[in-house]
Amino acid sequence: QKEVEQDPGPLSVPEGAIVSLNCTYSNSAFQYFMWYRQYSRKGPELLMYTYSSGNKEDGRFTAQVDKSSKYISLFIRDSQPSDSATYLCAMIFPQAAGNKLTFGGGTRVLVKP
Amino acid sequence: DGGITQSPKYLFRKEGQNVTLSCEQNLNHDAMYWYRQDPGQGLRLIYYSQIVNDFQKGDIAEGYSVSREKKESFPLTVTSAQKNPTAFYLCASSIPRAGGNQPQHFGDGTRLSIL
Repeated sequence: QKEVEQDPGPLSVPEGAIVSLNCTYSNSAFQYFMWYRQYSRKGPELLMYTYSSGNKEDGRFTAQVDKSSKYISLFIRDSQPSDSATYLCAMIFPQAAGNKLTFGGGTRVLVKP
Repeated sequence: DGGITQSPKYLFRKEGQNVTLSCEQNLNHDAMYWYRQDPGQGLRLIYYSQIVNDFQKGDIAEGYSVSREKKESFPLTVTSAQKNPTAFYLCASSIPRAGGNQPQHFGDGTRLSIL
């Protein structure tokens, strides 16, 4: 079983809809959580970075962490075609050698005009 | 503009050949990383370096080698021992801190293919 599970999709939504993405993890030592957006043939771009359980909002993006359930989510409001990309969750625990990130496999999102 | 530059964007390797991927950063970050990304899979760590002249193996180091002679540079060599080198290679950097709470920032990758 992978340490971090993420539905590969693709997830297809109409423009303006809310995109809901999530990851589950098995290691309760993970303390810091990130969401990256990756366009085709590009490197991942950091979108959100959270530590505490609860919600963090940045513009159209909301990241949610539930450490008791080992579950994190990313919501994208008012989705645009430019949001079409692969979204990767990543997490880290404080004792990780080299501050190593553990990634989910990514969810491909397609926002249709 | 500060960032991470990877070159070349595309690279082709012949059988039995070693190839070197370049990664340069001007973010003044101490830590640098190399990842491999295969279709439908997450990123897997090849090597990382937290300080000049020191580096550590990641999860899939076999068939790869690195050097860290300068803070801003972390080249990756894909050797002939790596039998399945076709992948997208990503370089990243971060500020290492005790407690491991710094996110990593990525370059735009090098796509390596076998001729």
